[in-house]
Amino acid sequence: AQSVSQHNHHVILSEAASLELGCNYSYGGTVNLFWYVQYPGQHLQLLLKYFSGDPLVKGIKGFEAEFIKSKFSFNLRKPSVQWSDTAEYFCAVRGKNAGNMLTFGGGTRLMVKP
Amino acid sequence: DGGITQSPKYLFRKEGQNVTLSCEQNLNHDAMYWYRQDPGQGLRLIYYSQIVNDFQKGDIAEGYSVSREKKESFPLTVTSAQKNPTAFYLCASSVGQGNTEAFFGQGTRLTVV
Repeated sequence: AQSVSQHNHHVILSEAASLELGCNYSYGGTVNLFWYVQYPGQHLQLLLKYFSGDPLVKGIKGFEAEFIKSKFSFNLRKPSVQWSDTAEYFCAVRGKNAGNMLTFGGGTRLMVKP
Repeated sequence: DGGITQSPKYLFRKEGQNVTLSCEQNLNHDAMYWYRQDPGQGLRLIYYSQIVNDFQKGDIAEGYSVSREKKESFPLTVTSAQKNPTAFYLCASSVGQGNTEAFFGQGTRLTVV
């Protein structure tokens, strides 16, 4: 079975601080990896995705994530956060041999202080 | 507009009653999913369907049932057997096989009183 672990449940940062949110998954085979964001009162939106190729992927709004296969990790980063980045962030994995089962982590709630 | 429509946005039911949540998509996606979102627990998979007339249990299927009679529709029934049904329910869909992301609806907040 596949699973996803997000280590930080709540993160509070000041504007312009750097962000790194951890995500580890368990699955032995090839994976698709995703980060989704849920702004207050809005539906889930895709931030970025990794399917194959360059392990450093860039998404919307200045976010990026790095897939490290040996560590089963897909951490999300942003060099300088803004107040508007306040949201909940979810990491997700789809194992290629697990049908279309898409598994999410517990989420990280980010608050950026102005 | 193409997308995923969940209705209603808010739903109230008395304890002991079954209730069905609607999810419709016009994206021509093969795969559809139902998740439950609770504070601090992220999104937990209830059921998913890869194709019409087929579906699989997710991690927390007990107390729920689904059907997939049409490609566009994947209704979720919360039965009286579900011990803690009050939650936010999210429906999603994706193309199917191959590298693709899932798209989400706006969600239905179910409150059982």
